[in-house]
Amino acid sequence: GAVVSQHPSWVICKSGTSVKIECRSLDFQATTMFWYRQFPKQSLMLMATSNEGSKATYEQGVEKDKFLINHASLTLSTLTVTSAHPEDSSFYICSASSWRRYNEQFFGPGTRLTVL
Amino acid sequence: KNEVEQSPQNLTAQEGEFITINCSYSVGISALHWLQQHPGGGIVSLFMLSSGKKKHGRLIATINIQEKHSSLHITASHPRDSAVYICAVNREYGNKLVFGAGTILRVKS
Repeated sequence: GAVVSQHPSWVICKSGTSVKIECRSLDFQATTMFWYRQFPKQSLMLMATSNEGSKATYEQGVEKDKFLINHASLTLSTLTVTSAHPEDSSFYICSASSWRRYNEQFFGPGTRLTVL
Repeated sequence: KNEVEQSPQNLTAQEGEFITINCSYSVGISALHWLQQHPGGGIVSLFMLSSGKKKHGRLIATINIQEKHSSLHITASHPRDSAVYICAVNREYGNKLVFGAGTILRVKS
C-alpha cells in the first residue's frame, strides 16, 4: 500500500488559537484527499473532500470558515482549525487517493487535537 | 437503517480461533474496503474488493455482490489482531466512503 503521513501526531493548544495539521502522500500523487473526524468509540465522519488545485467540498454541518482546507499540491493537504474551542478536541484523520490507484484510500496515522 | 451494517459489534476470541466478521450493505457499490484501526488510532487498509476473494497472510476477505455481503476472516487469531475492524464501501458513483460502525475484536492469549 501507499504511505500517507500526518503531522503533528498530537497537539495541545489553548482555546482561541489556530492549529494546522498536514497530510502528505509520500510515495504517490494524490488527486484527492479526504479529512475525517473521529470521536471516541465512534466511526469516522467525513468532514471534507479536496482535489488538488481546487476548493474543498465540505460535508453538511461542517463550517468551512472554521476548518480551512488547502490542497496546494498533489502530495500535501492541510487542515487548519481556526479559533479552536474545547469541543473541537478530536482525532483528525486524512486519507489520500488517486485514480491511478483505483481510487483506493490510504489513511494517515491521525492527529489527536486537545483544546484546553 | 444504516447503509453499511457490521456484525458482531464486539467479539472476544481465544488465541488460535478462526474469526469471521460480517458486513452487509444496501447501496450499489464500486468497491468494498476492510480497514483495521488499532488503539493508537492509525488506520490500515487491509483489503479493497469489488468481487470474489482476496487473501493476505492470515486474513481472507470475500464479497458476494448479488447478496450485498462481505466477510473478513482471520485464521489462527493472535492477540496482536486485537483492533477495530471497519467495513466501508464506495458508492457506485463518487469516491466517498460510507463506513460501518466497526467491530471491536479482542483476542485473548
